Parts: sequence; C-alpha cells; structure tokens
Amino acid sequence: SQQGEEDPQALSIQEGENATMNCSYKTSINNLQWYRQNSGRGLVHLILIRSNEREKHSGRLRVTLDTSKKSSSLLITASRAADTASYFCATDEAGANSKLTFGKGITLSVRP
Amino acid sequence: NAGVTQTPKFRVLKTGQSMTLLCAQDMNHEYMYWYRQDPGMGLRLIHYSVGEGTTAKGEVPDGYNVSRLKKQNFLLGLESAAPSQTSVYFCASSRRGNIQYFGAGTRLSVL
Repeated sequence: SQQGEEDPQALSIQEGENATMNCSYKTSINNLQWYRQNSGRGLVHLILIRSNEREKHSGRLRVTLDTSKKSSSLLITASRAADTASYFCATDEAGANSKLTFGKGITLSVRP
Repeated sequence: NAGVTQTPKFRVLKTGQSMTLLCAQDMNHEYMYWYRQDPGMGLRLIHYSVGEGTTAKGEVPDGYNVSRLKKQNFLLGLESAAPSQTSVYFCASSRRGNIQYFGAGTRLSVL
C-alpha cells in the first residue's frame, strides 16, 4: 500500500517561479526522502530529512517535515525548465528494515 | 563508477515465456531492491535483499522470484510471463537506512 501521498498530482509553472509540492504519510518514519525522475530515466535522490529534523536545505531545494501532521513539503525556488520532471516522496517507515514506500508522484512542468 | 546497471534495457516477451533481469552495483551496498513502475501507480516494491544470500518479499511479489548469490548482483526472474507484468522495472541499492541509487530501468512488454 502507498504510504506517501503527494499533492498536487500535476503542477505547471513559469520559469523563475517557485514550486511547492506536498507529501502526506500515515505511520511513524525514520526519514522522508524526495526523488526526481526525468522522463524515461531512473529516480535520482534529491534530499533526505530525518524524523528529528524540521527543515533542510540543498541548493534551490528546501524541505520541511511536520511529524505531528505527518506531512512534508518540497520547495524548489527560482525554477528552471530543466526542473521539469516527476517528483516522488518516499518514507522509510520505522521498523521497515530500510524499505522505502513511494508515493505516486507529482508531475512538474516548468514553462520557459 | 557505473553505480547501478540494469540489463537488458528493453525486452518483449510472449505470454508464458521466462526471462531474468540482471542488476549489478559497484558501490558495495548491502541492500538491493526490485521495483515496478506502472502509470499512475508510483513505484511498488517487488522483492528486496538485505545482504548476500538473503531475499524477502515486498508489496507485489507474486509471479516473480529473485536471487542474491553475490553481493553485487540481484536477479529478478519471471518464470511464466503474463501481460499484467508489462511494466518498467527498476533496481536500486543502498546502505542501511540510507538513500537509494537507481538503475536506468528495464522496459518489459508481455504480449
């Protein structure tokens, strides 16, 4: 069963705008990760946030985690056409032996 | 450093045929995983391994078998392919509790 549920399912923005994607999950987690998938390619890890962290930055990426609400958000600032891809959140559930449970993904389109 | 390599990249099978997908990683990772990705379904875990000689079932294991005879290789077998197994298959590897590194995928069509 899918643990992470991303929102929205699809997002279309203009280059230079910020993109915010949300993920909700159901059970206790060790960490939450975000991955990107370009069309026809494998997934690439973007950022990992542990359950005891509330915010993390990596370049133009900002991730927040609210364990009380069981939710996370991924913010991409100053988006570029090259950011066009599908984005997945994945949860490392407590006691799940390092298995990740992926959401269905968000399709981001950045218009030049 | 090749990372995670999957072979083949594409394959077309007839119903009832068998095949093996090979995954190889050169990062000395303990954990390896096989996923399938279908439109609108995200990634679903088929089988995984926490070390050489070990395998375990994931979310959708039926119709698949796996083997991890060597630490660097993880094989996924389809004994009797069915049209429902048409999908894109991804292999990944990781250290315990850490990020996963993915291969480029195998696109399988079962006619």
